[in-house]
Amino acid sequence: DVKVTQSSRYLVKRTGEKVFLECVQDMDHENMFWYRQDPGLGLRLIYFSYDVKMKEKGDIPEGYSVSREKKERFSLILESASTNQTSMYLCASLAWGYTTLNSPLHFGNGTRLTVT
Amino acid sequence: GQQLNQSPQSMFIQEGEDVSMNCTSSSIFNTWLWYKQEPGEGPVLLIALYKAGELTSNGRLTAQFGITRKDSFLNISASIPSDVGIYFCASFSGSARQLTFGSGTQLTVLP
Repeated sequence: DVKVTQSSRYLVKRTGEKVFLECVQDMDHENMFWYRQDPGLGLRLIYFSYDVKMKEKGDIPEGYSVSREKKERFSLILESASTNQTSMYLCASLAWGYTTLNSPLHFGNGTRLTVT
Repeated sequence: GQQLNQSPQSMFIQEGEDVSMNCTSSSIFNTWLWYKQEPGEGPVLLIALYKAGELTSNGRLTAQFGITRKDSFLNISASIPSDVGIYFCASFSGSARQLTFGSGTQLTVLP
């Protein structure tokens, strides 16, 4: 079974802090994604990466950056955290050669970030 | 990205009742996916629909891809407590790697 692990389940940070959310997958998947989940808004794509050092913006990249230095690890960075970034963050992965048409996204269990 | 309008936002039902939720869009899609998220976990794929008019079942779950290709519904028959969770519809926005999700339907099953 694919395992997608997010390093923290809960995180509390102060406004202005630099925040790193880490995600690791163990199935050698090329594609990795960061989503943000808010009540009534569903899951919104922040960034995704289809290879090491490659990244593409999703629907809501403002205020975020990402890093993919190793295939198994995809980090989401909040350069200067703000209260409107309080949310649940979900990481997901997908194998190369597959799309979400023929293979499901594998999600981690999420990191609930609170910015005070 | 494309917008998926999912309803209802929440449902409270008695155990044993049937449930229906749907997703609509102003755009045409070639695929509809339904995911379920249980408390404290990430979403998991339930059903995938690839063709307009397609009706697919997975146990007590049945989903249909609307013939206009702009909507889909998910039915759950004879609900049980473990059906509790958030149900999301999803389809593609841009490349086939990028899923757009609906806003979710929070289902609560009362004993």
